[in-house]
Amino acid sequence: DTGVSQNPRHKITKRGQNVTFRCDPISEHNRLYWYRQTLGQGPEFLTYFQNEAQLEKSRLLSDRFSAERPKGSFSTLEIQRTEQGDSAMYLCASSLSGTGGAINSYTFGSGTRLTVV
Amino acid sequence: AQSVAQPEDQVNVAEGNPLTVKCTYSVSGNPYLFWYVQYPNRGLQFLLKYITGDNLVKGSYGFEAEFNKSQTSFHLKKPSALVSDSALYFCAVKAGSYQLTFGKGTKLSVIP
Repeated sequence: DTGVSQNPRHKITKRGQNVTFRCDPISEHNRLYWYRQTLGQGPEFLTYFQNEAQLEKSRLLSDRFSAERPKGSFSTLEIQRTEQGDSAMYLCASSLSGTGGAINSYTFGSGTRLTVV
Repeated sequence: AQSVAQPEDQVNVAEGNPLTVKCTYSVSGNPYLFWYVQYPNRGLQFLLKYITGDNLVKGSYGFEAEFNKSQTSFHLKKPSALVSDSALYFCAVKAGSYQLTFGKGTKLSVIP
C-alpha cells in the first residue's frame, strides 16, 4: 500500500465546465475526508465519509459540489459549473476509526490542483 | 468551535541553529494536536501528534513539540535546522469530532 492516491495531480478547466477528482485511500482506512486549500491558507474541511456514508458536509460545500464513496473504498469529488473561485488544491485524507495510538493518524494525498480559467 | 493560531507567517533561521514554530489552539475538551509539513505543490506530510501522555512528543526528521495545556500551546521545535527543513508548516487540532482544523501555516526558511 503506497498511501493515499489522488488523480489527476493537476486540472485546468474553463469556467462553467464540470470536473471530477478521484481519491484512493489507504485500503484498511474506513474514514475518508476532503479538504480544500487556497493559496496562503491552511486546508479547510469539506466533507467526511465513514465507509460509504457521507456523515458531514461543511457549509463550504455548495450545491455545485458533490462527493461520493459508493463502495466504501475510493471517493470522487465533482464540481459542477466551475467558477474561478473554485481554483484551489483539493486534498484527500484517510484514517482508521477506533481508539489507540495508531488511530487519529490522518494520511493525506498529494492533492489535485484545480485551475479554473 | 475549535481553532488554531499560528502567529508567525514566516520564520527565518540560520542553518544549524535551533528553530521554533509557534502554535496555539482553542477547543472544548481534550485536544488532539498535530503538525504537518508541506513542500511546494505537494500534499501534507505528517510530522508528529499529541494524543495523551508525555507532553514532549518526538516525531519525524528530528522534530519535537511540547504540549502546554495551561498556555494552550503546541510549539514545534528542532535543535539544529537544516536547509532541507525549509517548507510550510501547519498545526492542526481535533477535539470531540473527526475533522482536523488547521492553522494558516508558517513558512520556515533555513538560511545556509
